[in-house]
Amino acid sequence: KAGVTQTPRYLIKTRGQQVTLSCSPISGHRSVSWYQQTPGQGLQFLFEYFSETQRNKGNFPGRFSGRQFSNSRSEMNVSTLELGDSALYLCASSLDANKGPFLDISCGYTFGSGTRLTVV
Amino acid sequence: GENVEQHPSTLSVQEGDSAVIKCTYSDSASNYFPWYKQELGKGPQLIIDIRSNVGEKKDQRIAVTLNKTAKHFSLHITETQPEDSAVYFCAATRGTSYGKLTFGQGTILTVHP
Repeated sequence: KAGVTQTPRYLIKTRGQQVTLSCSPISGHRSVSWYQQTPGQGLQFLFEYFSETQRNKGNFPGRFSGRQFSNSRSEMNVSTLELGDSALYLCASSLDANKGPFLDISCGYTFGSGTRLTVV
Repeated sequence: GENVEQHPSTLSVQEGDSAVIKCTYSDSASNYFPWYKQELGKGPQLIIDIRSNVGEKKDQRIAVTLNKTAKHFSLHITETQPEDSAVYFCAATRGTSYGKLTFGQGTILTVHP
């Protein structure tokens, strides 16, 4: 079965521009989370969407936003790009991130290969 | 919020040796602890996970142990092979965190033939 697909794989943008990244989850997965990975800060959580609703958000400025469509595909947008936004952006999908006190047995988060964003 | 510390940051072993990576977490409510392997140019791949109602889990050459009292968990890889060379991340989350995994800083494992 197809994995998590992220497009594009690579992007080069100029400071001040905006960018949109796309994530198609595994078929049947309804939860999509986004992460930023940098050498200095590691993997940091951006936000999570389920059934087109943002359920959780990390500590990133409002320039970072996202949305989810009815088919569970998700996009994230970064406006007014800064040099420090250069990073690998990863999305992860799961059936459902929350199933009571214990996560669902099949709830492992599957990551895509990421989009490498370079801001110049 | 949750904080996860991972050690060591780099680990070098000979092929066939064992490798151990340790993580500590701060939130006693965390109940799910996955381990990921990330190879160059790829996203993190889930290799094993453990829930807080279990103390140990094994899958072939990989095992994970969890000590809830001490709030630490460890990854054990036996009979290492060169293809085990990668960056390994531990993570922790609770069931109500809605997709938020808190990751350790990663361990670069190098297995020398």
